[in-house]
Amino acid sequence: QVQLVQSGAEVKKPGASVKVSCKASGYTFTGYYMHWVRQAPGQGLEWMGGINPNTGGTNYGQKFQGRVTMTRDTSISTAYMELSRLRSDDTAVYYCARETGIAPADIWGQGTMVTVSS
Amino acid sequence: EVVLTQSPGTLSLSPGERATLSCRASQSVTSSYLAWYQQKPGQAPRLLIYGASSRATGIPDRFSGSGSGTDFTLTISRLEPEDFAVYYCQQYGSSPWTFGQGTKVEIK
Repeated sequence: QVQLVQSGAEVKKPGASVKVSCKASGYTFTGYYMHWVRQAPGQGLEWMGGINPNTGGTNYGQKFQGRVTMTRDTSISTAYMELSRLRSDDTAVYYCARETGIAPADIWGQGTMVTVSS
Repeated sequence: EVVLTQSPGTLSLSPGERATLSCRASQSVTSSYLAWYQQKPGQAPRLLIYGASSRATGIPDRFSGSGSGTDFTLTISRLEPEDFAVYYCQQYGSSPWTFGQGTKVEIK
């Protein structure tokens, strides 16, 4: 079945970087745009940006420009989101989500909890 | 960016009742690219409605969406026990994608 499986929880110190992976299965990875959305504890959803797995082209939210890098490895159908210069307010669950071109995020990963703490 | 404001913040209803959730945009949403998601504690969001009124695959017909321009509505015709959750609207017609702050539907 179509699914996105993300990497496990991370604990990082302020100033460090984190790289979250999102492995796709059950569909053609390069055929669908991939977005990243985060959710701080008890808060709402915040879009970070997305990547075209076919071309590698990216579109980042202005808030994250300069700190986020989205990449992909088509050989293993996996997308990555790396966030640098972490701060305590980056503590959140990070989700990847597939866009079909007709519908927005129809399939979501299970989420990766990233905790930033000294 | 398009700011989405959802109301009410919390809706207290009983199973079997009708739920009406509102989402208002700060500017017209391009091509009615407005979606609704349901999220339960500890779970990822689930797409319910896209294009303002199209149900996603597998979504029961008690969920319906309507609206255009700046005013959109999600209606749950008869609440089932599994429908008590938080609901988010989202616009995806212009970058950046933006989400409303959420409406919690709780059991009265």
